[in-house]
Amino acid sequence: NAGVMQNPRHLVRRRGQEARLRCSPMKGHSHVYWYRQLPEEGLKFMVYLQKENIIDESGMPKERFSAEFPKEGPSILRIQQVVRGDSAAYFCASSPLAGHLRGAEAFFGQGTRLTVV
Amino acid sequence: DAKTTQPPSMDCAEGRAANLPCNHSTISGNEYVYWYRQIHSQGPQYIIHGLKNNETNEMASLIITEDRKSSTLILPHATLRDTAVYYCIVRVSRPSGSARQLTFGSGTQLTVLP
Repeated sequence: NAGVMQNPRHLVRRRGQEARLRCSPMKGHSHVYWYRQLPEEGLKFMVYLQKENIIDESGMPKERFSAEFPKEGPSILRIQQVVRGDSAAYFCASSPLAGHLRGAEAFFGQGTRLTVV
Repeated sequence: DAKTTQPPSMDCAEGRAANLPCNHSTISGNEYVYWYRQIHSQGPQYIIHGLKNNETNEMASLIITEDRKSSTLILPHATLRDTAVYYCIVRVSRPSGSARQLTFGSGTQLTVLP
């Protein structure tokens, strides 16, 4: 059973470009969470999605950031017109349906490290 | 979710037990204590969680005080690979809607020394 897969692992973008980060949850998991970790800081929640629905986006910046989790395919975190302050590690986590709560609540991917130059 | 307080850093000798404390004095009756760790540059890794009884798995033991206001994560025989930031998180186990995400604090940087 493959874990949470994120790609790319490293992404370099020039200021003003778009960044697309992909997350494939574990098999059977229908809940996806995105977190951002700025250099030397802790993880901050961004958005929580279920298939085709955004459940909680209270941690998302109001502009330039968007997320989706379509019926088919991976979840996408999209950052438009990137700025240097967007440079960070972006982690995705997935969890199973609410009834499967024994054990780990969420499994994390290895992250995408975005560098804006 | 209740707030947690952890020491910013701790050292432990390789092969010895590492005891990581966490205070959660405002925890409510339906909130669980979760522990995750983040080894440098990697994604957070689940360790263990519990409600009120002590818990043990292949990675660690979790000791929760009777009043549930604090807990201790125990790594019985720490190795160099256990060097990481350890996060103690308190959360309702069966949350709905927006309460499902984990809220990470600053954690404890555990350094295992050779």
